[in-house]
Amino acid sequence: QKEVEQNSGPLSVPEGAIASLNCTYSDRGSQSFFWYRQYSGKSPELIMSIYSNGDKEDGRFTAQLNKASQYVSLLIRDSQPSDSATYLCAAQRGSGNTGKLIFGQGTTLQVKP
Amino acid sequence: DGGITQSPKYLFRKEGQNVTLSCEQNLNHDAMYWYRQDPGQGLRLIYYSQIVNDFQKGDIAEGYSVSREKKESFPLTVTSAQKNPTAFYLCASSLIRSGANVLTFGAGSRLTVL
Repeated sequence: QKEVEQNSGPLSVPEGAIASLNCTYSDRGSQSFFWYRQYSGKSPELIMSIYSNGDKEDGRFTAQLNKASQYVSLLIRDSQPSDSATYLCAAQRGSGNTGKLIFGQGTTLQVKP
Repeated sequence: DGGITQSPKYLFRKEGQNVTLSCEQNLNHDAMYWYRQDPGQGLRLIYYSQIVNDFQKGDIAEGYSVSREKKESFPLTVTSAQKNPTAFYLCASSLIRSGANVLTFGAGSRLTVL
């Protein structure tokens, strides 16, 4: 079992729809979780971080964390073609501020006009 | 502008040669990391360093070496012992503070072995 798992997709949604990206993790000691967006051939950029159970909203993005189920998700409302990218979920291994980030394989999102 | 600079952006290597990828940051970050990304895959940690003159192996350190002689610099050498070095290499840094470990990435170096 991979430490952080994502469905590689591609996930295809029409423009204006809600895109739902999911991630599970196996290390119950993980405390912090991140969503990075990566355009083809480019480096990842941080779009959301979440540390507590529940929802965290930032503009069109909402991150959801359920530590009991070891599940993290990212919702993108009003999806735009510019959101088409690979989304990487990462879990910070162990507690404390020096824990290493472990990445999932990424989910490719395609938003069709 | 503050950021992370990786060079070269593209590099071609013959089998049996060592190559060194440069990573420099001016963010005054404490920690630096090297990740490897293969097509359709996530990032895998090669080495990381939280302080000058100290570094630790990540999950796939075999065939790689690093040094951290300055806070700003964390070069990665891909040695001839690395069996399949063709990949996209990403350097990252973070400011160690209470809470989470938020990474900032460089633009990446794409290594191709001929």
